Amino acid sequence: EAGVAQSPRYKIIEKRQSVAFWCNPISGHATLYWYQQILGQGPKLLIQFQNNGVVDDSQLPKDRFSAERLKGVDSTLKIQPAKLEDSAVYLCASSLGGRGRTEAFFGQGTRLTVV
Amino acid sequence: DQQVKQNSPSLSVQEGRISILNCDYTNSMFDYFLWYKKYPAEGPTFLISISSIKDKNEDGRFTVFLNKSAKHLSLHIVPSQPGDSAVYFCAASAFGNQFYFGTGTSLTVIP
Repeated sequence: EAGVAQSPRYKIIEKRQSVAFWCNPISGHATLYWYQQILGQGPKLLIQFQNNGVVDDSQLPKDRFSAERLKGVDSTLKIQPAKLEDSAVYLCASSLGGRGRTEAFFGQGTRLTVV
Repeated sequence: DQQVKQNSPSLSVQEGRISILNCDYTNSMFDYFLWYKKYPAEGPTFLISISSIKDKNEDGRFTVFLNKSAKHLSLHIVPSQPGDSAVYFCAASAFGNQFYFGTGTSLTVIP
C-alpha cells in the first residue's frame, strides 16, 4: 500500500514570497490533515478535510494560508505571503476518517525555510 | 494551551532494559490516544493506540497504559533496542476529531 506522498521535500523562500505544498493521501482515506511542526514542538493541526469539505480550520492563519482538496483526493496548502515564523515542517496526514477511532498516517513532510 | 504534555524532552536507556515514556493530558473528553515514532527527516509513524475504554494495550515489545483518573498514559518498550532510538510523540483526540500532539521525547537506546 502506497503511503502519503508530499512534495517538495524542501523549500527555501524569501519572506513575502509565496509557496505551495502538495499532498496525495492514501487511497480510500476520506480524512486529510495538514499539520505544522515548528522545531522542538509537536505537530499542530492547521486544517482537516473530510472528503472535500473542511471539518476544522480554526488554527489556520487565514490571512496568509489557504488549502483546498479538490475532488476529495489531493490537496494543496499555500502560504502567501510567507513570514519568517512560517519556517517549519509541513506534514500531511490521512486517515480512514468518520467518527471511528483510526490513526492518521503521515507523509515525510516539507521542510520550509523562510529567509 | 498545551492539552497534551510530555515533560521529559529526552531519555537514555541501556539496550535490553525497559524504556518508559510518559504523557499527561488535561482534556477529560479525550477518548483515543496514540503514540507515534519519528526518525529524523521522516514523518511520524504510528506505533500503538488505546481507547479510553481500556487501560492497557499491548503489541509485541510495546505496551501503552492509560490511567484516566490521573489523565496520564505511558509507553513501555521492553526490551529496548538501538533501532528504537527516535522521537516519540503522544497524541490524543476526542470523538474522532483532531489529534493534539505532545512536544515529544527523544529516546536514545545505548548499545
